[in-house]
Amino acid sequence: DIQMTQSPSSLSASVGDRVTITCRASQSISRYLNWYQQKPGKAPKLLIYAASSLQSGVPSRFSGSGSGTDFTLTINSLQSEDFATYYCQQSFSTPPYTFGQGTKLEIK
Amino acid sequence: QVQLVQSGAEMKKPGSSVKVSCKASGGTFSTYAINWVRQAPGQGLEWMGRIIPNFGSTNYAQRFQGRVTITADESTSTAYMELSSLRSEDTALYYCARGQLIYDSFDPWGQGTLVTVSS
Repeated sequence: DIQMTQSPSSLSASVGDRVTITCRASQSISRYLNWYQQKPGKAPKLLIYAASSLQSGVPSRFSGSGSGTDFTLTINSLQSEDFATYYCQQSFSTPPYTFGQGTKLEIK
Repeated sequence: QVQLVQSGAEMKKPGSSVKVSCKASGGTFSTYAINWVRQAPGQGLEWMGRIIPNFGSTNYAQRFQGRVTITADESTSTAYMELSSLRSEDTALYYCARGQLIYDSFDPWGQGTLVTVSS
């Protein structure tokens, strides 16, 4: 199975900051990388698919990049509603479709 | 706008089985994969398996092989996930999520079903 490693596991930032979360795959997954946001008590929400495509309705301050094994999620000008846990997920080839362990973004 | 609505919370004894449903409304059901993802308390997301209803084809995560069965009823646009031989470690929130046709990202998600396994 393809392993996904996110870093950092937690992150403190302030409103208005720019933050970057990284995700590394154990083998090349081309651009089959998705990012989700999860708030406490809620289901995950798709933010980015295909490494860099913004899901409809997601604010443009969210962006994704990368291909192969290394990927990043960047949030520009953090807003209060962005404090949540973020997960990467690979959907390359046939399942299993593994998730990273998550990055908890907290208010500094 | 597709919406996935899951069945309610369940309390089960160790060794028993649970069957969670996921009903789709507002869009096409059969041609999209329905995935099942679980989240233990305070933990991350774990993919369990999926079904593509119009083919009836399934894929399961190795660690759940033999214990999980995912089915779908096209007539009611409902997918089901049954987990057997329950143990306390299966206590978790179980989500269904539709897989997109390209890149297989998951959207939308159901609201989640809490399954508690306790004697």
